[in-house]
Amino acid sequence: AQKITQTQPGMFVQEKEAVTLDCTYDTSDQSYGLFWYKQPSSGEMIFLIYQGSYDEQNATEGRYSLNFQKARKSANLVISASQLGDSAMYFCAMREGGGLTSGTYKYIFGTGTRLKVLA
Amino acid sequence: NAGVTQTPKFRVLKTGQSMTLLCAQDMNHEYMYWYRQDPGMGLRLIHYSVGEGTTAKGEVPDGYNVSRLKKQNFLLGLESAAPSQTSVYFCASRRGGSGAEQYFGPGTRLTVT
Repeated sequence: AQKITQTQPGMFVQEKEAVTLDCTYDTSDQSYGLFWYKQPSSGEMIFLIYQGSYDEQNATEGRYSLNFQKARKSANLVISASQLGDSAMYFCAMREGGGLTSGTYKYIFGTGTRLKVLA
Repeated sequence: NAGVTQTPKFRVLKTGQSMTLLCAQDMNHEYMYWYRQDPGMGLRLIHYSVGEGTTAKGEVPDGYNVSRLKKQNFLLGLESAAPSQTSVYFCASRRGGSGAEQYFGPGTRLTVT
């Protein structure tokens, strides 16, 4: 069954240091996509980064990078130079399915990792 | 440009009451989604829509109904609320394309007593 696993319920990191948030996935699809979202204490969901299953290069967006290891089925989020504002819940999500159109895509979310950045 | 908005932000219902949550987006997105978020369980898909007039079931559709009469609006209905439906509900929308991210609304916190 398709599944996203985030094994770290909580993480601490010192300000200005890098941190890696783990995400493993399970799917039988050849074509899929992986997303990371941030949820601050205010509650909104903020898109951070996307990696397609056929993308050969790891995705990067500013201080965020996605360490995609297809054979291991992992898609870890790396945040460089952590800031106090990075303290939030982080969700890994997978887009699967699709068929003939993108309309039948479904999204599965992991249970999240709560990151606390320490001053 | 408001993005995705949700109405109401908070609601308390008694068991058996009904209500409708409204989601509106101004980005002309084809695809819209309703999720619920419960502690320790991430987001779970309730229903989704691939365009005006179409809806489909997600992972946890029981006890909910949806309608998409206009492209910009996606309504989630609870006909007879149950305490198990106490949750935070998120609406999301996206454009077409495999890498398109979802844009989320601010959420609705629903408590059923």
